[in-house]
Amino acid sequence: GENVEQHPSTLSVQEGDSAVIKCTYSDSASNYFPWYKQELGKGPQLIIDIRSNVGEKKDQRIAVTLNKTAKHFSLHITETQPEDSAVYFCAADKTSYDKVIFGPGTSLSVIP
Amino acid sequence: DAGITQSPRHKVTETGTPVTLRCHQTENHRYMYWYRQDPGHGLRLIHYSYGVKDTDKGEVSDGYSVSRSKTEDFLLTLESATSSQTSVYFCAISESPGPDYFGSGTRLTVV
Repeated sequence: GENVEQHPSTLSVQEGDSAVIKCTYSDSASNYFPWYKQELGKGPQLIIDIRSNVGEKKDQRIAVTLNKTAKHFSLHITETQPEDSAVYFCAADKTSYDKVIFGPGTSLSVIP
Repeated sequence: DAGITQSPRHKVTETGTPVTLRCHQTENHRYMYWYRQDPGHGLRLIHYSYGVKDTDKGEVSDGYSVSRSKTEDFLLTLESATSSQTSVYFCAISESPGPDYFGSGTRLTVV
């Protein structure tokens, strides 16, 4: 089955700097890659997703890139703000889209 | 949390007792999911539903059952709770496959 790894497990950046979180997946048939943000005491929130027919997607300060050959994808956050501090999860799924497999998470701290 | 209510928010129960967690949505979304979250494991899918009375197993379904008799309600039952089922449980919904919106979670402790 699918296995999703995520690095780093913790990340600290200064406010205004960029943050990058990287994930790898094992199943070459996976073609849907969502990212979630979880703030303390809350449920995860879908923040952006990408499908395999696209190499990059941007939404304001957030961007995701996908390299299907290498089976890895990344989340890029630019001009980080303290409110970006949270745990971020990557995930992957195949055509069924209904059994999304999550990575273990990255705890991001943005230092004012 | 996008019209999702999980109940109870916290529960402590004894080993061997049955437990039912409830997820209620007001969004009329077709898909509903139950996940558990444990340190170091991210979120793992327990069961999901793609319509009323239509359910399927996820990665970690052993020891759990679900029911969906109405679009808005998705129940998760632990038939006989064990300490390994101590976790935070999240319900999620979406209009198309793949979870989009999550509830606030239920923290379950089995003693």
